[in-house]
Amino acid sequence: EAGVTQFPSHSVIEKGQTVTLRCDPISGHDNLYWYRRVMGKEIKFLLHFVKESKQDESGMPNNRFLAERTGGTYSTLKVQPAELEDSGVYFCASSLIGGEETQYFGPGTRLLVL
Amino acid sequence: QKEVEQNSGPLSVPEGAIASLNCTYSDRGSQSFFWYRQYSGKSPELIMFIYSNGDKEDGRFTAQLNKASQYVSLLIRDSQPSDSATYLCAVTGRNNFNKFYFGSGTKLNVKP
Repeated sequence: EAGVTQFPSHSVIEKGQTVTLRCDPISGHDNLYWYRRVMGKEIKFLLHFVKESKQDESGMPNNRFLAERTGGTYSTLKVQPAELEDSGVYFCASSLIGGEETQYFGPGTRLLVL
Repeated sequence: QKEVEQNSGPLSVPEGAIASLNCTYSDRGSQSFFWYRQYSGKSPELIMFIYSNGDKEDGRFTAQLNKASQYVSLLIRDSQPSDSATYLCAVTGRNNFNKFYFGSGTKLNVKP
């Protein structure tokens, strides 16, 4: 069974540009999460989808970040316009509904904003 | 105050020894506790989860939970060089089992 996949693995952009990150969860996982780790800090929660609905977006830093999950399958996280402080590793995770809460993580997208 | 605290390390142990990794958390109402292992540049990989006070063993790994002290630990017996990685402690909130709070991780080095 394929794990959580993320694309791209790395992205280098200039301040003010737009970047879109993609996450494909494990097949059958209705819960999808986005997390972020900035340099030297812990991994922090951004938001949680249940199918196509945003269940909790309390961790989204500001309105430059937009997450979508149309159709309840893959998700995208768009940063527009990117700022220097957005640099970090963006992780996606997924889990089943109704089972244990274990979240399975993807390899992350390393974003560098110059 | 951080929700989850871990010593960043590095923690160095010789091959075959027991490695002890510790984690404290601030929310007394937290219900679920997870240990992830992360190799450099790779996905965090689940090692164990624990919900109840006491010990839970899985192969060479033992998770220990003490809710009264707000403390969770991971013991690795017969440590191997392949265990060298960063170990992340994750805790769920009291009212939201889907929101994980992570510690900054402890780097473990197992020396041959």
